[in-house]
Amino acid sequence: GNSVTQMEGPVTLSEEAFLTINCTYTATGYPSLFWYVQYPGEGLQLLLKATKADDKGSNKGFEATYRKETTSFHLEKGSVQVSDSAVYFCALRSTGGGNKLTFGTGTQLKVEL
Amino acid sequence: GAVVSQHPSWVICKSGTSVKIECRSLDFQATTMFWYRQFPKQSLMLMATSNEGSKATYEQGVEKDKFLINHASLTLSTLTVTSAHPEDSSFYICSALGTSADVTDTQYFGPGTRLTVL
Repeated sequence: GNSVTQMEGPVTLSEEAFLTINCTYTATGYPSLFWYVQYPGEGLQLLLKATKADDKGSNKGFEATYRKETTSFHLEKGSVQVSDSAVYFCALRSTGGGNKLTFGTGTQLKVEL
Repeated sequence: GAVVSQHPSWVICKSGTSVKIECRSLDFQATTMFWYRQFPKQSLMLMATSNEGSKATYEQGVEKDKFLINHASLTLSTLTVTSAHPEDSSFYICSALGTSADVTDTQYFGPGTRLTVL
């Protein structure tokens, strides 16, 4: 079946540091890949997505590239801010899966001054 | 655009009572909505898929008689937790699947409802 594996958190960084949150997946066919962000006390917000191999999703300074050869979709940001502190979820939607999303366990990011 | 609301944002109830949670897509129509449950510091667990005008499809292990889902219009789905017990306490999140050109094929999530059963 489908699965998403994320690096365990929490990840603690200083402001302006470089961020990488690893995400790898297992799926049949050609899934679409997503990153969602959940701020404290709030629901999930779509951060970025990629629907085919080699696509790069980007938003708010965050980027992730769909790498089919390594089945990865790592999230990166060049310079994090305190306001980026949140939980980040990697997810996939498989082809023929009825639009269901499979989520990773989430990675908490804490950014300190 | 693509805003989804939930009501209430939090609710406390006594064991044995029923609680209804509403999920609305505010600026788009959604033929499909999803209901998730999230435990503390864990990922989202899909409970059921709600399709407008038809019965919901429940995931394995989810009691359909306990978690009643109704999707009566293109902008509203409700989840009713019947005869709630403390183990039902959780964070319930809905999402709506965009279908129009600008929101197509992406799930948009509500802010969640915190249910506490005493």
